[in-house]
Amino acid sequence: GAVVSQHPSWVICKSGTSVKIECRSLDFQATTMFWYRQFPKQSLMLMATSNEGSKATYEQGVEKDKFLINHASLTLSTLTVTSAHPEDSSFYICSARWTGKVNEQFFGPGTRLTVL
Amino acid sequence: GQNIDQPTEMTATEGAIVQINCTYQTSGFNGLFWYQQHAGEAPTFLSYNVLDGLEEKGRFSSFLSRSKGYSYLLLKELQMKDSASYLCAVRGNGGYNKLIFGAGTRLAVHP
Repeated sequence: GAVVSQHPSWVICKSGTSVKIECRSLDFQATTMFWYRQFPKQSLMLMATSNEGSKATYEQGVEKDKFLINHASLTLSTLTVTSAHPEDSSFYICSARWTGKVNEQFFGPGTRLTVL
Repeated sequence: GQNIDQPTEMTATEGAIVQINCTYQTSGFNGLFWYQQHAGEAPTFLSYNVLDGLEEKGRFSSFLSRSKGYSYLLLKELQMKDSASYLCAVRGNGGYNKLIFGAGTRLAVHP
């Protein structure tokens, strides 16, 4: 099956610093990747849709200058949380849509971000 | 607007059958997904329905009625490892086929 990886799996940082999270599709090409955020005991909230070679599309209420998304290749998308604050602490999950199987999104294992 | 409703929590006994319901009101519809998520892990795909009817896959089955905006996930022969959150997600007609998730149902399976 299609595999999506994320790195790092967890990160702790100080308030005011920036953190980059990578999402890779390991055995398929993903023209579209999605970034979600999940707070404890809540569901996944879509933050943005990332398309290779173009600007990301952000959901309403998500600050694009704070959550920078880059999708430079068909196998890699990155999310950078800039000037992180404790309220940004969350579980960030990416998913990738494989053009060969449009009915399914494949999720990465998630990144646990803790901002002190 | 988009609205996807599921029960917050359910409990069931090992070996039993449980049905998790999902109702949705979305601006478009292009398929309904069920995912399983264990605490601290990413969701894993369970089922996909785009046409009315029942899709069966081993111990798990999923049903869809588009006219009623309703789906359910049926879990048979429950095992302790089935204790998890079950997420209902709808794909709209908008660009990029993005999924909108319900709040999830936390299922606890007891011996």
